[in-house]
Amino acid sequence: DIVMTQTPLSSPVTLGQPASISCRSSQSLEHRDGDTYLSWLQQRPGQPPRLLIYKISTRFSGVPDRFSGSGAGTDFTLKISRVEAEDVGVYYCMQAKEFPITFGQGTRLEIK
Amino acid sequence: EVQLVESGGGLVQPGGSLRLSCAASGFTFGSYWMGWVRQAPGKGLEWVANIKPDGSEKFYVDSVKGRFTISRDNAKDSLSLDMNGLRAEDTAIYYCARGHEGAFDYWGQGTLVTVSS
Repeated sequence: DIVMTQTPLSSPVTLGQPASISCRSSQSLEHRDGDTYLSWLQQRPGQPPRLLIYKISTRFSGVPDRFSGSGAGTDFTLKISRVEAEDVGVYYCMQAKEFPITFGQGTRLEIK
Repeated sequence: EVQLVESGGGLVQPGGSLRLSCAASGFTFGSYWMGWVRQAPGKGLEWVANIKPDGSEKFYVDSVKGRFTISRDNAKDSLSLDMNGLRAEDTAIYYCARGHEGAFDYWGQGTLVTVSS
């Protein structure tokens, strides 16, 4: 199984400041079809998960452009350019290169 | 508007069975992979099962193989998860989600399954 490891597990951030979350996979997520199936989800308190980014860097419909994704192979990053109060929650990376689909442990973003 | 609405959760004794359903609307259901993802209380996300658009292939996490069965009825825009031999560790919120471009792009609100005597 592909293991997804996120760092940090907790990230206190000041409003208006940037935030960054890393995700490392135990093997390359590049599929034989040429795409890399790494996505990022946000889960606000008491809510279901919400897709932010898919295929490393494509923002999903309605996602603010302060969210961006980057990376390749086994190392990926989610960046928030300026954190807002509504960004509080837990962020997960997910790989769908192969089954079983696996998630990172989650990174809790909180406001200082 | 894409909507996914789960139902069927509840309290069940260890070894018991439960059937979860997910009603889909707002998109051409039969064109998409669908999946179930669960979240134990206070824990992270765990993928459970996926099914191809035509239902011809199904995939499961090892911990539920032989106990859970995912199925779909494209005529009724409905996804199901039959759960047998339930264990305490299956206690979780179960989310129905739509697969697209290697991600889960829409999620339901979830249904809580509690396995306890």
